[in-house]
Order: sequence, then C-alpha cells, then structure tokens
Amino acid sequence: ILNVEQSPQSLHVQEGDSTNFTCSFPSSNFYALHWYRWETAKSPEALFVMTLNGDEKKKGRISATLNTKEGYSYLYIKGSQPEDSATYLCALGPNDYKLSFGAGTTVTVRA
Amino acid sequence: GAVVSQHPSRVICKSGTSVKIECRSLDFQATTMFWYRQFPKQSLMLMATSNEGSKATYEQGVEKDKFLINHASLTLSTLTVTSAHPEDSSFYICSAKYPGDRGQKTQYFGPGTRLLVL
Repeated sequence: ILNVEQSPQSLHVQEGDSTNFTCSFPSSNFYALHWYRWETAKSPEALFVMTLNGDEKKKGRISATLNTKEGYSYLYIKGSQPEDSATYLCALGPNDYKLSFGAGTTVTVRA
Repeated sequence: GAVVSQHPSRVICKSGTSVKIECRSLDFQATTMFWYRQFPKQSLMLMATSNEGSKATYEQGVEKDKFLINHASLTLSTLTVTSAHPEDSSFYICSAKYPGDRGQKTQYFGPGTRLLVL
C-alpha cells in the first residue's frame, strides 16, 4: 500500500470560479496515476489515467497535470458548475492493478 | 459501456449473522475484480483481488475466513462477511478490470454497499 495524499480535504467554490487541488505520491517506481470523480450514491467515474511525466489531460472543463519526478498531480476545474460537486479521488497504480487511493477532495460548488 | 452493479446498496444486520454482497459486471466479462473497504473519512483500502475460477488473494491484515470471496463466473463476484460484528460496519465497494484496456489499467467501480452491524 502506497501513501497517497490529497489536499485540501474539502473546498467550496462559487459557481463560475475555477479551482484546483493536489494529489501527492511517492515518486519512486511510478507506473500510473488515476483520477476518479465520485458523486454521492453513484459509482466512482474514471476521469484520467496518467503515465508520463509532464502529461496533461483534459476532459471538458476538467484537466490534470502530472509530475512524476516530484510526485504530484494537480486537477483543475475551470468555470465550476453545480454538477462538478463531487469527491475527486486520485489513486496510484503499480502495474498489477492494485490501486492505492488518497482520501479524496470533496468539492462543493455554490450557485 | 463498462457498468458494474452492486447489491444490496445498504444492509443492516444483527451481530453474528453473515451478509453477502454481490458485484456484477453488466456489459463485459471481468476475469479480475477487486474488493475495497472505506471507513469514515478514510481512503478506499484494497481488501482482496478476486480471480475467476481461482482463489482470491487477500491483502495483509484482511482475514480470509472472515471475508469470503467467490468469483464463480466472469460477471459475478461475491463477498460474504461471516459472523459480522459492529466493527465490520463499513462501506464496501467492488471494481472490475476491463478486458482489453490497452494497458490503461482502469478499474470500473460499483456504487458500493453500506453495511451496518448492530
């Protein structure tokens, strides 16, 4: 089990504002970094799988960057909307599928 | 595509009873499924890896006789919490490995089961 930390634990953002939060992980033996969005009472939804240092991925208004040398990934939400309210999980995956999750960042978008 | 269901979504049972949780891949075959547990304000913790047609492999500290896993078909894995006690109350969630994911290693999750043992 690898130590994955997410900060902040929660945040509130005004509708229309942009926000970002962090996932930190051990930089040694890196294989892949996963981001999931988890809405209440639903299944976690896979957002991104990132494998290369310097990777930047985008899905609509959500994007993520990866720095494997220093061991962090940022998730950005541009122009937050109420439907972005969810818990965002990051997970470190070695090559055997065993994911080590952070505790998540819960985003609440206020109208 | 890649939908995973879990049943029940919520269960309350008396201490000492056993509870079975089902995890199904609805539109794909999953040779490997995973079971996680989450305690309040903590991260999802992998309990075991369920392999179709063979014994599950458990993470360190997880009692295999307490948490029985059966993966009898390519679309169904079950987790049975035997002789449940209040400390087993938790959120249990399964995931499935999607075949042919071109090395992405993405797991697809069910919605989870909230277990409360009285």
